[in-house]
Amino acid sequence: KQEVTQIPAALSVPEGENLVLNCSFTDSAIYNLQWFRQDPGKGLTSLLLIQSSQREQTSGRLNASLDKSSGRSTLYIAASQPGDSATYLCATGANSKLTFGKGITLSVRP
Amino acid sequence: NAGVTQTPKFRVLKTGQSMTLLCAQDMNHEYMYWYRQDPGMGLRLIHYSVGEGTTAKGEVPDGYNVSRLKKQNFLLGLESAAPSQTSVYFCASSYRLAGGPGEDTQYFGPGTRLTVL
Repeated sequence: KQEVTQIPAALSVPEGENLVLNCSFTDSAIYNLQWFRQDPGKGLTSLLLIQSSQREQTSGRLNASLDKSSGRSTLYIAASQPGDSATYLCATGANSKLTFGKGITLSVRP
Repeated sequence: NAGVTQTPKFRVLKTGQSMTLLCAQDMNHEYMYWYRQDPGMGLRLIHYSVGEGTTAKGEVPDGYNVSRLKKQNFLLGLESAAPSQTSVYFCASSYRLAGGPGEDTQYFGPGTRLTVL
């Protein structure tokens, strides 16, 4: 059974800092890995999707990488802003389902 | 273009009562999903549908039923609510099957916060 782990559960950084959010998974037989953002009381918004054949994806200040062999993915956020404060979830895709981590709650202090 | 909408946004039930949550999408997606999100548990798949008239069980289907009579709608029913079903319920839809090859993005609704007393 796939297990997706995100550590730490919460993170607080000052504005302007570059930061990395980590995601690890136990089963490397995946089709893809996604990073989502969830604002308080809201649904999830997909940020980046990396297919298993890809190593990374970029969107604006966000860069996600995938290393299937080591069971790891990272989400890099450049020049963090208070508006980046949210919960970030990663999810692996395989066997017709997504398996989600519990998320990292990020707070960017002005 | 509203995306994925969910009705109602909030609901309080007493143990044993029944209710139906409605999800609607206007993106002509074939695939639709119901998840529940609980503190410390992450999102878990309840049921999903690969097209109009079809449904399938997810990770935690017990106590729930679903129907997909129209392509744009996916209903989640609780026949006899229990306190363990207190949760936030999210509906999602996608063009391709989640967790399959060639997947694209899942679009999520805003959620329904359900409390069972």
